[in-house]
Amino acid sequence: QVQLQQSGPGLVKPSQTLSLTCAISGDSVSSNSAAWNWIRLSSSRGLEWLGRTYYRSQWYNDYALSVKSRMTINADTSKNQVSLQLNSVTPEDTAVYYCAREYSAGPFRVWGQGTLVTVSS
Amino acid sequence: DNQMTQSPSSLSASVGDRVTITCRAGHTIRNYLNWYQQKPGKAPKLLIYAASSLESGVPSRFSGSGSGTDFTLTISSLQPEDFATYYCHQSYNPPYTFGQGTKLEIK
Repeated sequence: QVQLQQSGPGLVKPSQTLSLTCAISGDSVSSNSAAWNWIRLSSSRGLEWLGRTYYRSQWYNDYALSVKSRMTINADTSKNQVSLQLNSVTPEDTAVYYCAREYSAGPFRVWGQGTLVTVSS
Repeated sequence: DNQMTQSPSSLSASVGDRVTITCRAGHTIRNYLNWYQQKPGKAPKLLIYAASSLESGVPSRFSGSGSGTDFTLTISSLQPEDFATYYCHQSYNPPYTFGQGTKLEIK
């Protein structure tokens, strides 16, 4: 079965870059039927979709408007994982971050375990 | 963005009660509507996809309905393990959006 294992630091300083990875087992990051999403949960905003990457003969990305100018999602086929980078973070970016596999027509059936990221000096 | 308006934001109910949560999209999403349950410290769990399809392994007391812009999640007879926060999610077109959540508490 598909499993997602997240890793990355739990504390990031303001103005720095938040970086997380999501290692995939039981599936291929290049699957033509999958998309790999990042979502976060905060007390102020609830669940917030951040963006996704997927492969359909070439790589595509979609981002939420709220983070589009600061976010990059990449796939690493050699490691079978996806990564998230969020630049110029502020305390407003403090949240639990999740990666999730999107299935056909969009439901997120498989989720990573979540990573609490706190933005603080 | 296609805003998803979920109501109520919180709900108190008793074991055995029937509860309904609603979700309204700003514009049509056909049936690209999913429901999740989230408990503290855990990742969200998919309950319903494509508005009315029950995810494998989810108890049949959960059901979903609707299409276009108006959707509902119904729990027919609340069980103790159902007290959690519920979210709707539109997957019609990116940017995807979630409802604000409904916290279901024990009365």
